[in-house]
Amino acid sequence: DADVTQTPRNRITKTGKRIMLECSQTKGHDRMYWYRQDPGLGLQLIYYSFDVKDINKGEISDGYSVSRQAQAKFSLSLESAIPNQTALYFCATSPTGASPYSNQPQHFGDGTRLSIL
Amino acid sequence: GENVEQHPSTLSVQEGDSAVIKCTYSDSASNYFPWYKQELGKRPQLIIDIRSNVGEKKDQRIAVTLNKTAKHFSLHITETQPEDSAVYFCAARMIQGAQKLVFGQGTRLTINP
Repeated sequence: DADVTQTPRNRITKTGKRIMLECSQTKGHDRMYWYRQDPGLGLQLIYYSFDVKDINKGEISDGYSVSRQAQAKFSLSLESAIPNQTALYFCATSPTGASPYSNQPQHFGDGTRLSIL
Repeated sequence: GENVEQHPSTLSVQEGDSAVIKCTYSDSASNYFPWYKQELGKRPQLIIDIRSNVGEKKDQRIAVTLNKTAKHFSLHITETQPEDSAVYFCAARMIQGAQKLVFGQGTRLTINP
């Protein structure tokens, strides 16, 4: 089945380290997203990309960067990790739809649990 | 910017009873409202969605209602079962600009046998 795959599933690292979380999808979707989930705060959008040449900041982009290497790959980087970036990170994808304003559901990966000591 | 408030944060109901979760949104231009279910340790999964040209949508035991005037929408689960226990998230999308989804804070639903 077409899916959204995140690696690694779990990561423990130290303050100041550079971290990369990877997302790949076999759904053929153009749009990809990175979210952060903290208890009681729902899902907060970090970055999103509507196609390979399009990258946009979300609500909480400070301290993060992304790279859209191909239609199927979207990676999230923490250049210098800090403890308050400890969270569960989700990648999601959605198709573009019939028009730029059509609404299509987002499909999530299994998440990466990141702990920064 | 868009803001979505979700209530209650926790909800406990007896098996077989109904559960209702409510969300309000701030941007009257929002036109798409999905609901996601997240079981413990798993990914959020879309369970139902509604577009702004519709007032109600049903799928078996779940239904969503939308009141555009009041800017709120609700998830209704009838005849609840233990497997309905999960965290539920509502979301809203603007029609203009980046068309981003903005999520509510989530409701932890527990079904008591």
